[in-house]
Amino acid sequence: EVQLLESGGGLVQPGGSLRLSCAASGFTFSSYAMSWVRQAPGKGLEWVSAISGSGGNTQYADSVKGRSTISRDNSKNTLYLQMNSLRAEDTAVYYCAKDVYSKNDRFFGWFDPWGQGILVTVSS
Amino acid sequence: EIVLTQSPANLSLSPGERATLSCRASQSVSSYLAWYQQQPGQAPRLLIYDASNRATGIPARFSGSGSGTDFTLIISSLEPEDFAVYYCQHRSNWPYTFGQGTKLQIK
Repeated sequence: EVQLLESGGGLVQPGGSLRLSCAASGFTFSSYAMSWVRQAPGKGLEWVSAISGSGGNTQYADSVKGRSTISRDNSKNTLYLQMNSLRAEDTAVYYCAKDVYSKNDRFFGWFDPWGQGILVTVSS
Repeated sequence: EIVLTQSPANLSLSPGERATLSCRASQSVSSYLAWYQQQPGQAPRLLIYDASNRATGIPARFSGSGSGTDFTLIISSLEPEDFAVYYCQHRSNWPYTFGQGTKLQIK
């Protein structure tokens, strides 16, 4: 069974930093692109960042570009999101999500499954 | 950035009724559109991908159609567990974006 378990969330002050982790199991982690998607309280879904299976290709939403870095350690089956210069508008539940398919280190962009999510609160 | 607009924002129906949800893209996304269901307090679940393909384990009462800019999710006969929020999402180019959601409520 595929499992994704996020950790590393919490309360951080504006301007601070946080590193989210997503521990994966139940599939060949290095074969699949992974993404982070967030959801502000009471709001809709926002794709944040994606990384290819090898880690060689990364993509970011404009809202986090230059402030966040997605990475992965395929030896540890773990996905990361380093977030810096955090703002109140970064407050959200952050989900990691697995691409449905894998082939030739490509992105497929359909997310299944998702982790249970981790809350990040940016507030003084 | 491609904007996805979902309608209606809220939909009130009774179990057994047919639900029709729409998603319109600000420019063509070909067939690169998916639908997700989100129950309160839970992560989203993939229902439909590539506009019309049901994801693994999704009941046949869920169907998707459309291409280009106009897409539809139909739930043929609503079950109690179908009342949730539904989102569309494209993967046509970067950045991927989601629609704002349709909340399907029990009438």
